[in-house]
Amino acid sequence: RKEVEQDPGPFNVPEGATVAFNCTYSNSASQSFFWYRQDCRKEPKLLMSVYSSGNEDGRFTAQLNRASQYISLLIRDSKLSDSATYLCVVRPNDYKLSFGAGTTVTVRA
Amino acid sequence: DAGVIQSPRHEVTEMGQEVTLRCKPISGHDYLFWYRQTMMRGLELLIYFNNNVPIDDSGMPEDRFSAKMPNASFSTLKIQPSEPRDSAVYFCASRAGTSGRTGELFFGEGSRLTVL
Repeated sequence: RKEVEQDPGPFNVPEGATVAFNCTYSNSASQSFFWYRQDCRKEPKLLMSVYSSGNEDGRFTAQLNRASQYISLLIRDSKLSDSATYLCVVRPNDYKLSFGAGTTVTVRA
Repeated sequence: DAGVIQSPRHEVTEMGQEVTLRCKPISGHDYLFWYRQTMMRGLELLIYFNNNVPIDDSGMPEDRFSAKMPNASFSTLKIQPSEPRDSAVYFCASRAGTSGRTGELFFGEGSRLTVL
């Protein structure tokens, strides 16, 4: 079983729509959780950390459910510039980050 | 400030040839990671270093792969001999020890390898 699993999508949504997707992780002892964003043919970059109580960063909301071992990301009022692949990232120990394969989001005009 | 610098950006080679990928981490970062990304397998951790010492190389696919970090500002990933299934984008990333809790890895732009 993969450490981090994501629905690859793609999610095709119109501008202004809300889009949400999840990932699941296998290691219940994982300590920290993140979402990274990767644009086409570019390197991954940190989008936001995910905290136990849930957190927002502008139009982005992240949630963590430790009991069910899943993480979610919701994008409100989506923009064309939100088109990217979103990587779910889990830290199973102090040093290593495990990346999901990514969920592709395409926002259309 | 300069980010993580990788070279070459693109490499096309023939099966059996030696490939050397290079990475310069961000100055002051004491962790360096090599990842490989393919459509089929996503981002896979190959090896990481702490203070120039290899800590976990369990992701290195086989003996054809080797990595070194002779000093704090330089690392190489070598494939010898290369095979078509090694075709992928190889990312180098670094972080400072204190940023561990934020999870922020800083990635280079990647080296896109094609083995014919």
